[in-house]
Amino acid sequence: DAKTTQPTSMDCAEGRAANLPCNHSTISGNEYVYWYRQIHSQGPQYIIHGLKNNETNEMASLIITEDRKSSTLILPHATLRDTAVYYCIVRDNTDKLIFGTGTRLQVFP
Amino acid sequence: EAGVVQSPRYKIIEKKQPVAFWCNPISGHNTLYWYLQNLGQGPELLIRYENEEAVDDSQLPKDRFSAERLKGVDSTLKIQPAELGDSAVYLCASSVAGGTGELFFGEGSRLTVL
Repeated sequence: DAKTTQPTSMDCAEGRAANLPCNHSTISGNEYVYWYRQIHSQGPQYIIHGLKNNETNEMASLIITEDRKSSTLILPHATLRDTAVYYCIVRDNTDKLIFGTGTRLQVFP
Repeated sequence: EAGVVQSPRYKIIEKKQPVAFWCNPISGHNTLYWYLQNLGQGPELLIRYENEEAVDDSQLPKDRFSAERLKGVDSTLKIQPAELGDSAVYLCASSVAGGTGELFFGEGSRLTVL
């Protein structure tokens, strides 16, 4: 079973920041948080991952709370092409990625 | 550099027929995964290979599903016989063993069983 909880869907206006929350209250100390997204009819695409520090790359920022029980993926300036299903995943100690049902983000003009 | 290549992209068969999917991972990636994705659900792991060895096949329904990766490069996933409930997208992914955990996915093979 997935170890994360995400809202089913979210909307965001184009050009605004999209903040996607994720709860992972049972995360263990050495487990990483990964984010992937899946655009319609494509395979999932890696976005970012982190352990306990905040991370940023060219696609997004990942904010992990100090107790590591939740995190937020931030797309700073959402575009229509960011419309996708976003998966928050806790990678277990067997290196297995267990996907949940994700958050369907709709970016509107 | 080419990404993960899967074929066929779409396949329609009648129930009880066999079907096979092929995957060519990114060059140099020794870890290969097959995932199943039902409509509206996230991908579910079927099998994971480290080179030619299946290191996790606990979720593979072995009565009708089989997979192979004979030379540790490309892989084939077979279903025989197919059932109506097997209609789904079959995704292949690859990664570098011991890397950051980033998986690179193909576009998937969409199976429809009539």
